[in-house]
Amino acid sequence: AQSVTQLGSHVSVSEGALVLLRCNYSSSVPPYLFWYVQYPNQGLQLLLKYTSAATLVKGINGFEAEFKKSETSFHLTKPSAHMSDAAEYFCALVGGSQGNLIFGKGTKLSVKP
Amino acid sequence: EPEVTQTPSHQVTQMGQEVILRCVPISNHLYFYWYRQILGQKVEFLVSFYNNEISEKSEIFDDQFSVERPDGSNFTLKIRSTKLEDSAMYFCASREQGAGTDTQYFGPGTRLTVL
Repeated sequence: AQSVTQLGSHVSVSEGALVLLRCNYSSSVPPYLFWYVQYPNQGLQLLLKYTSAATLVKGINGFEAEFKKSETSFHLTKPSAHMSDAAEYFCALVGGSQGNLIFGKGTKLSVKP
Repeated sequence: EPEVTQTPSHQVTQMGQEVILRCVPISNHLYFYWYRQILGQKVEFLVSFYNNEISEKSEIFDDQFSVERPDGSNFTLKIRSTKLEDSAMYFCASREQGAGTDTQYFGPGTRLTVL
């Protein structure tokens, strides 16, 4: 069965520090992977997606993620955290023939001044 | 920029009552979805809808749930007889016709509280 695991329900970094949010997946077929961000009281917004082209994917707001098949990982990074990055981040993969998404439990990112 | 909208933002209901959650997907999108997120848990797929019929549903989507696209713009989720465990945030999403790699655009959600 397909699944997504996000290590760390809560990550705290200082402003200007590296952000690393971990995502591992399990899939019997080549996966399509997504990172979404949810700001308080808002919907899920796409940050970036991997669709089997380049393994290093760049997204909005300076985020990027690298697909590593050997490690079944798709970790999200940003070189320098900003206060506005504080939000909840969800990793997801396409799980069904109709494109429905399977989500991880989410990681809440806090950014300290 | 086009967006998915959902109403109401918060719905409080008594156990056993029927509720209808409404969504307006992006106008040229053809695939529609409902997801839910129980507090502290992961976002879970409920149902997908294409060409005026359910195309896939999860085991959560039992006979208490139904979906409808009544007028070509709205997409609704009905829960016939709400239970306490239906309390959750419900998200609607839509995407253009195409491969599963197409981006799903999510609405802001409806928080359902069942008392």
